[in-house]
Amino acid sequence: EDQVTQSPEALRLQEGESSSLNCSYTVSGLRGLFWYRQDPGKGPEFLFTLYSAGEEKEKERLKATLTKKESFLHITAPKPEDSATYLCAVRSESTDSWGKLQFGAGTQVVVTP
Amino acid sequence: DGGITQSPKYLFRKEGQNVTLSCEQNLNHDAMYWYRQDPGQGLRLIYYSQIVNDFQKGDIAEGYSVSREKKESFPLTVTSAQKNPTAFYLCASSLQGFNTEAFFGQGTRLTVV
Repeated sequence: EDQVTQSPEALRLQEGESSSLNCSYTVSGLRGLFWYRQDPGKGPEFLFTLYSAGEEKEKERLKATLTKKESFLHITAPKPEDSATYLCAVRSESTDSWGKLQFGAGTQVVVTP
Repeated sequence: DGGITQSPKYLFRKEGQNVTLSCEQNLNHDAMYWYRQDPGQGLRLIYYSQIVNDFQKGDIAEGYSVSREKKESFPLTVTSAQKNPTAFYLCASSLQGFNTEAFFGQGTRLTVV
């Protein structure tokens, strides 16, 4: 069964204090790893898709990387507006779960001025 | 503007009543999904549909029903058989295929009173 585990559950940062979030996964053949940002009471907003180990994607202060077992979301010099819950999700090549997007529980990030 | 529209934003239901949540998309996406989100938990898949007139159960389908009569619409009915329906419900859609990200609506918060 596909599993996605995110750590830490919560992260409190000072403005400008860089850090990383972890998403570890076990799937029968990865067909895509996705990062989302979710603000309270809103739907998740798509950030990145990673397909293969060694791949990296960047957007403003965020950088996502992928290995064969985990993905990291690096937040460089965060600002208070980066406060949100960050969700990781995977798709596998398993025929039993074709089309399904399996989510982790998320990491809640709070950035204080 | 292209996007996914969920309605209503807030919904109150009396115990024993069925209620239907609306989800419409104008992105021309083939696949659509319904997720449930509870505090401190990740998104759990209720139902998903890859094409019109076809849908599959997700991980927590008991007490829910869906239909997919049109490409643009994927309504979710929360039946009286769902024991704990109070939650935040999210609809998403994506292009068909493995390596495609999903885009989410803004959610419906259902409260049983």
